[in-house]
Amino acid sequence: DIQMTQSPSSLSASVGDRVTITCRASQSISSYLNWYQQKPGKAPKLLIYAASSLKSGVPSRFSGSGSGTDFTLTISSLQPEDFATYYCQQSYSTLITFGQGTRLEIK
Amino acid sequence: QVQLVQSGAEVKKPGSSVKVSCKASGGTFSSYVISWVRQAPGQGLEWMGGIIPIFATANYAQKFQGRVTITTDESTSTAYMELSSLRSEDTAVYYCARVRGGYPGNWFDPWGQGTLVTVSS
Repeated sequence: DIQMTQSPSSLSASVGDRVTITCRASQSISSYLNWYQQKPGKAPKLLIYAASSLKSGVPSRFSGSGSGTDFTLTISSLQPEDFATYYCQQSYSTLITFGQGTRLEIK
Repeated sequence: QVQLVQSGAEVKKPGSSVKVSCKASGGTFSSYVISWVRQAPGQGLEWMGGIIPIFATANYAQKFQGRVTITTDESTSTAYMELSSLRSEDTAVYYCARVRGGYPGNWFDPWGQGTLVTVSS
């Protein structure tokens, strides 16, 4: 299986900060990388698909980049509603795998 | 607007089975691909399997091979995930999600609201 490793596992930041979360794949996955946001007690929500395509309706402060094995999710200016856990997910393989998650907390 | 509504919480004994449903509305169910993902308390997301229409068969994570069965019923626009030989480690919230995009290169959107399955003697 393709292993997905996110860093950091947790992150403290303030409203207005620029934040970057990294996801690394154990082998090349081209651009088949998605990002999800999950808030406590809620289902995950899609933010970014195919590494850099923003889902319709998602604020433009979210952006994704990368290809091959290294990917990033950037939030340009943190808003109070952005404090949540973020997961990357690869779909290069038919055996889907997720990163372990990055918990974004208020400083 | 596609919506997925899952069945309610379940409490099961070790060794038994559970069948969780996921009813779709707002689209053409015959074109859907549904995957199932679970999340143990305080843990991350774990893909269990899904149905790939071009292969016309379900595809399961190796960890669950032999214990999980994913099916669909087009007459009711409902997908099902049945997990057998339950153990305490299977206590988790189980999510269904619609698969979008192609193979390779797909994503999950939207997700059901989740179903808590508790395995306890």
